[in-house]
Amino acid sequence: QQQVKQSPQSLIVQKGGISIINCAYENTAFDYFPWYQQFPGKGPALLIAIRPDVSEKKEGRFTISFNKSAKQFSLHIMDSQPGDSATYFCAAQSGGSYIPTFGRGTSLIVHP
Amino acid sequence: DAGVTQSPTHLIKTRGQQVTLRCSPISGHKSVSWYQQVLGQGPQFIFQYYEKEERGRGNFPDRFSARQFPNYSSELNVNALLLGDSALYLCASSLGQGTSPLHFGNGTRLTVT
Repeated sequence: QQQVKQSPQSLIVQKGGISIINCAYENTAFDYFPWYQQFPGKGPALLIAIRPDVSEKKEGRFTISFNKSAKQFSLHIMDSQPGDSATYFCAAQSGGSYIPTFGRGTSLIVHP
Repeated sequence: DAGVTQSPTHLIKTRGQQVTLRCSPISGHKSVSWYQQVLGQGPQFIFQYYEKEERGRGNFPDRFSARQFPNYSSELNVNALLLGDSALYLCASSLGQGTSPLHFGNGTRLTVT
């Protein structure tokens, strides 16, 4: 059973555009939602994370929007750059579990 | 500051063989987790260890085993390899308390022929 559903599977945007990746979850016990970025040949690296007590968190060009009632959260990449081309994974974790559940990933390509 | 290191980086084995993968966590991190990543999918949880004790196990067969040593490094063992075990095996370390973030190594690419 996939507890975290991520979409789209792949995304192509032009340089300077906005990239939007969406995730949805079912388990209301989840209370920590990190996003990871993975480049080819590398392990995933933590990009940004949010807790459900806030609806939005911004770090540079990266913003997480969180909708607790809809059990959805999304990653927005403003002014997308070719260097942002990577696979992005959303994840969800509950305080009682030390183990995050990952989405299937979104392959982002930013064309110059 | 050294990150999570994994060895070997690549490995080719034949069906039925056994393999051992190794991981050294970031200094100060007491928890190590192992994930399997198949191409086109997210990491699937295999094991988590904290202070040398198993704290969680994912939905993997008993052919998969792991342990954590006193220096917090870890080994993942897979016996009786199957073609379907071909994947990228990721190790992640963390402080292991609450929702501390995972720090991943670059993985071991295992190919089973």
